[in-house]
Amino acid sequence: KNQVEQSPQSLIILEGKNCTLQCNYTVSPFSNLRWYKQDTGRGPVSLTIMTFSENTKSNGRYTATLDADTKQSSLHITASQLSDSASYICVVSLSNSGYALNFGKGTSLLVTP
Amino acid sequence: DVKVTQSSRYLVKRTGEKVFLECVQDMDHENMFWYRQDPGLGLRLIYFSYDVKMKEKGDIPEGYSVSREKKERFSLILESASTNQTSMYLCASSLSAGFYNEQFFGPGTRLTVL
Repeated sequence: KNQVEQSPQSLIILEGKNCTLQCNYTVSPFSNLRWYKQDTGRGPVSLTIMTFSENTKSNGRYTATLDADTKQSSLHITASQLSDSASYICVVSLSNSGYALNFGKGTSLLVTP
Repeated sequence: DVKVTQSSRYLVKRTGEKVFLECVQDMDHENMFWYRQDPGLGLRLIYFSYDVKMKEKGDIPEGYSVSREKKERFSLILESASTNQTSMYLCASSLSAGFYNEQFFGPGTRLTVL
């Protein structure tokens, strides 16, 4: 069973609108959580990384939040652009493992004109 | 900036062929990883290496082997390619094991096995 669940699976929004992607995880003990953006046919690129003590982290129009108590994270995209069309992947790292990452299956976002 | 490069963006091979996928990173990273990515399944770890000549199995190592003779280079080998190995293969590297071990990904190789 995948220990990192993302929702929605896919999303279509109009250019200029905001959206929020969700990530729930059950892995423990938690170390950090990252959000990656993956353009079609490309490798993932890191957007934000948060440790358990961080509640929010921004990168331009991207803002990630983390609630370590409820084991939930969200990625909020403000004023979406066509270039935001991509897959967004939530990744959770365990504190007792230096190597292993737990990947969500991603949310596919399409921004239309 | 960290740069992770992969030898091919697209590759077409026939069933039974031996296939080599090469990955090179230029930031002196200790750790290197090979993943495959399939629709609806996300990224799955095939093998990783935490030092030269060292390797560890990931979640789906069957049908694959790896080689790390130099720190900057990590190769994935399909000994006898099969159609179910058609996939997107992603290489990644990270500086070290530890609390903030972000992995940096290459552009990927889309392999088709006919």
